[in-house]
Amino acid sequence: DGGITQSPKYLFRKEGQNVTLSCEQNLNHDAMYWYRQDPGQGLRLIYYSQIVNDFQKGDIAEGYSVSREKKESFPLTVTSAQKNPTAFYLCASSRQGAAGYTFGSGTRLTVV
Amino acid sequence: KQEVTQIPAALSVPEGENLVLNCSFTDSAIYNLQWFRQDPGKGLTSLLLIQSSQREQTSGRLNASLDKSSGRSTLYIAASQPGDSATYLCAVSDAGGTSYGKLTFGQGTILTVHP
Repeated sequence: DGGITQSPKYLFRKEGQNVTLSCEQNLNHDAMYWYRQDPGQGLRLIYYSQIVNDFQKGDIAEGYSVSREKKESFPLTVTSAQKNPTAFYLCASSRQGAAGYTFGSGTRLTVV
Repeated sequence: KQEVTQIPAALSVPEGENLVLNCSFTDSAIYNLQWFRQDPGKGLTSLLLIQSSQREQTSGRLNASLDKSSGRSTLYIAASQPGDSATYLCAVSDAGGTSYGKLTFGQGTILTVHP
């Protein structure tokens, strides 16, 4: 079945560490996105990519980095510069025009 | 900057009621609008997508309308069931050139349908 796989489901980070969240899709979608969700709030866009080897900052990119070396993969690194990283992170992909928007099941990141 | 607001923030209804969730957006230059459902601790599932040129979309007991000029959308759920309990999120896509679908989300409406 086609879909998006995010891993791990739960992730714990110590102060000062960088951590990388995985996102893989087999939907043949060109566009991929990373969103952050805080309790009781909607989703906010961190980064997005429309094609391989190209990506753009979203509304809250500071303290995050991404890469898009393959069409299927769009990993997100939460760096030590992100001061409040505890949140639920969602990866998504779509066809042109936001059609077929598909979300992964999310990664819950907690700073310990 | 586009802002999306959803009202009410939470709604609790008895099973069988028809209900309406509201979404408003500040910039009418949208490409499309989507309604999503999110179960606790899970990802989002797309329910309905309305293109900017359309007025409504229907899927089963769900009907979504769009009034682009006034910056409003409503999601109508008929004959609600306990299984409809979830958070419902409205999101608009910008009208950029290739429109690969950056979405701006509302904060969601938490719906509880009790038996």
